[in-house]
Amino acid sequence: SQQGEEDPQALSIQEGENATMNCSYKTSINNLQWYRQNSGRGLVHLILIRSNEREKHSGRLRVTLDTSKKSSSLLITASRAADTASYFCARSGTYKYIFGTGTRLKVLA
Amino acid sequence: EAGVAQSPRYKIIEKRQSVAFWCNPISGHATLYWYQQILGQGPKLLIQFQNNGVVDDSQLPKDRFSAERLKGVDSTLKIQPAKLEDSAVYLCASSLGGFGDNEQFFGPGTRLTVL
Repeated sequence: SQQGEEDPQALSIQEGENATMNCSYKTSINNLQWYRQNSGRGLVHLILIRSNEREKHSGRLRVTLDTSKKSSSLLITASRAADTASYFCARSGTYKYIFGTGTRLKVLA
Repeated sequence: EAGVAQSPRYKIIEKRQSVAFWCNPISGHATLYWYQQILGQGPKLLIQFQNNGVVDDSQLPKDRFSAERLKGVDSTLKIQPAKLEDSAVYLCASSLGGFGDNEQFFGPGTRLTVL
């Protein structure tokens, strides 16, 4: 499959804890993006990291990228119930976007 | 700013019938995407338009799926005839450019059920 793979497939944590999810891919990329999907707001872009970047922050989100290992991780700090959603990485080549299989995060209040 | 609009939101048809979905992207966005998302999976890109030209349709089942983007704005995706395995959510997205450096904005999707 060309899809990236996120792991874990599912994650359940308590509110206030940190959540880490990982994304692996097989071919070279221009950039990698993380998206969140929940029933209320649909699919929403969270953060983009370019292939020449190693780390980016946005609020409570921290994304790292290791192109030598072809992997990325998304860290959500101090999680909230509202963070409950599926999280997808999407890698971009020259034109094509390929989404991973997703991590289903459940934050328990 | 208005988001990506899609209609209908839900559609139920029987196999071998035809169905069409409509998408209106964010004003000024040159690139439009159609994705298929099967339950429990990530979105799969079906077709990508840059203005009214096709950039990538390598995963579009062209024997039954077709899409057009007339005048580089609205787009329609058609399935004819539908199969059971076409049951999915069809997502439309748009972005300013299409060279991988742009955030995609997604519409609410059309949930298709094929009986």
